[in-house]
Amino acid sequence: DAKTTQPTSMDCAEGRAANLPCNHSTISGNEYVYWYRQIHSQGPQYIIHGLKNNETNEMASLIITEDRKSSTLILPHATLRDTAVYYCIDAQTGANNLFFGTGTRLTVIP
Amino acid sequence: DAGVIQSPRHEVTEMGQEVTLRCKPISGHDYLFWYRQTMMRGLELLIYFNNNVPIDDSGMPEDRFSAKMPNASFSTLKIQPSEPRDSAVYFCASSLIEGRGREQFFGPGTRLTVL
Repeated sequence: DAKTTQPTSMDCAEGRAANLPCNHSTISGNEYVYWYRQIHSQGPQYIIHGLKNNETNEMASLIITEDRKSSTLILPHATLRDTAVYYCIDAQTGANNLFFGTGTRLTVIP
Repeated sequence: DAGVIQSPRHEVTEMGQEVTLRCKPISGHDYLFWYRQTMMRGLELLIYFNNNVPIDDSGMPEDRFSAKMPNASFSTLKIQPSEPRDSAVYFCASSLIEGRGREQFFGPGTRLTVL
């Protein structure tokens, strides 16, 4: 069963920031928040992960609330190629059994 | 690096036939995963290997499914006999124990259709 909850779908205008929320209220102290995305007809792709501090890489930023019960993935300038299903996963670092759930279908609109 | 390679990309077979899916992980990676994705059940982990040894096969649906990893650069997932309900996209992924968060790199998948 999914341990995270995400909205089923979201739209974002091209060039604008896409903010994808995730609730993980049962996350334990040694569990990280991982984000993957799956573009249509491709395998999932790792985006970013974090424990409690905000993280940023070349793809996105991850903002984790202080109580760690929720987080937001930010794509600063969404492009049409960012249209995908985004999965938020809580797992121990290096965990091998990642539960992907149903994710959020992000549609970037021209 | 070519990434994770899977073959075939598409497979259409008839019920009762044996199906073999193949995967070549990224060189140097020490974990290999097999997933199945369907509309109804989403993305499910079937089995994973560490250094060619199966570690957790609790996701394998039944005895008709088997997976092997004879060496570090090759793995197979076999279904015998196949059934229509096995129709799905099968993904192989690999990861490096020292990689960032041990991120998993996925192949392009094999779309299996069992008639």
